Amino acid sequence: DAKTTQPPSMDCAEGRAANLPCNHSTISGNEYVYWYRQIHSQGPQYIIHGLKNNETNEMASLIITEDRKSSTLILPHATLRDTAVYYCIVPSGSARQLTFGSGTQLTVLP
Amino acid sequence: NAGVTQTPKFQVLKTGQSMTLQCAQDMNHEYMSWYRQDPGMGLRLIHYSVGAGITDQGEVPNGYNVSRSTTEDFPLRLLSAAPSQTSVYFCASSFSGATGNTIYFGEGSWLTVV
Repeated sequence: DAKTTQPPSMDCAEGRAANLPCNHSTISGNEYVYWYRQIHSQGPQYIIHGLKNNETNEMASLIITEDRKSSTLILPHATLRDTAVYYCIVPSGSARQLTFGSGTQLTVLP
Repeated sequence: NAGVTQTPKFQVLKTGQSMTLQCAQDMNHEYMSWYRQDPGMGLRLIHYSVGAGITDQGEVPNGYNVSRSTTEDFPLRLLSAAPSQTSVYFCASSFSGATGNTIYFGEGSWLTVV
């Protein structure tokens, strides 16, 4: 998997947008960027993924830079339930074997 | 549609005992895998399967055995439990989509080996 770098922790006020950055400077042209999150003691949850275009779903938006060396996950209106560890993953091959790094601990504050 | 179901949720074993963690998915996914997560650490891949009858080792396979006789089920066997296998175990499944693969995880099985 391509190496990813994320800040270890971030805080966000409830109701505000949470912007979580990820650097993946060694990404290859056909590798996707995936985001998962893990709420304490639960199984990881898929959030979103993208290749080169910006993506949006009911949970979040993913902004990928034009050179694809970094991306930002945006939670538009963070709630307390969004407090979790967020993982940015760029898997190689079939993308079925994920390497989970340390991720970013997002704490949403009331 | 239950997704990925793991049983048991909690288990305490004595050193040397054997047991099987069950995993079932009802999404007709061809790919299934087992991860373990130690406290404060990321998930590590134990074994995976790309279809019925096909399994392969991941990053940390020692002490574990798997088989895949059906598409739905992927049990993980601990052959002779050791305290180092105390961990949370997650089963996952996925399918190949035209725009990448999405992996679905179970809720985890907490195992303590004493």
